[in-house]
Amino acid sequence: AQSVTQPDIHITVSEGASLELRCNYSYGATPYLFWYVQSPGQGLQLLLKYFSGDTLVQGIKGFEAEFKRSQSSFNLRKPSVHWSDAAEYFCALKGDSSYKLIFGSGTRLLVRP
Amino acid sequence: NAGVTQTPKFRILKIGQSMTLQCTQDMNHNYMYWYRQDPGMGLKLIYYSVGAGITDKGEVPNGYNVSRSTTEDFPLRLELAAPSQTSVYFCASSYSDGGLAGASSYNEQFFGPGTRLTVL
Repeated sequence: AQSVTQPDIHITVSEGASLELRCNYSYGATPYLFWYVQSPGQGLQLLLKYFSGDTLVQGIKGFEAEFKRSQSSFNLRKPSVHWSDAAEYFCALKGDSSYKLIFGSGTRLLVRP
Repeated sequence: NAGVTQTPKFRILKIGQSMTLQCTQDMNHNYMYWYRQDPGMGLKLIYYSVGAGITDKGEVPNGYNVSRSTTEDFPLRLELAAPSQTSVYFCASSYSDGGLAGASSYNEQFFGPGTRLTVL
């Protein structure tokens, strides 16, 4: 079965601290993986994506993610969080069909001043 | 270039009423999607379309209908609103050549700002 798990519902970090959001997936082949961010009242914006090749992927807004096949993970990281990073983050997996995205349940990031 | 636009932003319906959620994209994308987002549940696909005149069911299609008469527009219809349809609805679009060029042919989905619907 294809699925995406984001084990942390909420995470709170202090501004300037580092961040890691966890994402685990279940898929039988090489996955195509995505991280989206949703700011309050907004739609989803793509941060980065992994299709193949280099397992460390750079995205927008200073985010990066590392694909680890052995751990079935695609964790999102940022070395120094800004207050404007407070949002909900979704990990997603492209399924077998050319169109379908399977989303995790999301992690809400709160940033302390 | 407005991207994906949705109207209305908010709506309250009574049980049994009907309404249409509008979605328009100006990126000439062939694929369009409707998702619903429930708290703590992520996004679930309701319907999708691979081009004008072609639509198909996603994971949670019951209680909804769609049509795709043009490339730009993909309205979602609720015929008999029920409290279980209280949710935030997102429309999205993307371009794909159907995998003819491999993985690189699958491009990101662009999302609209959402419609918050409450059914009382």
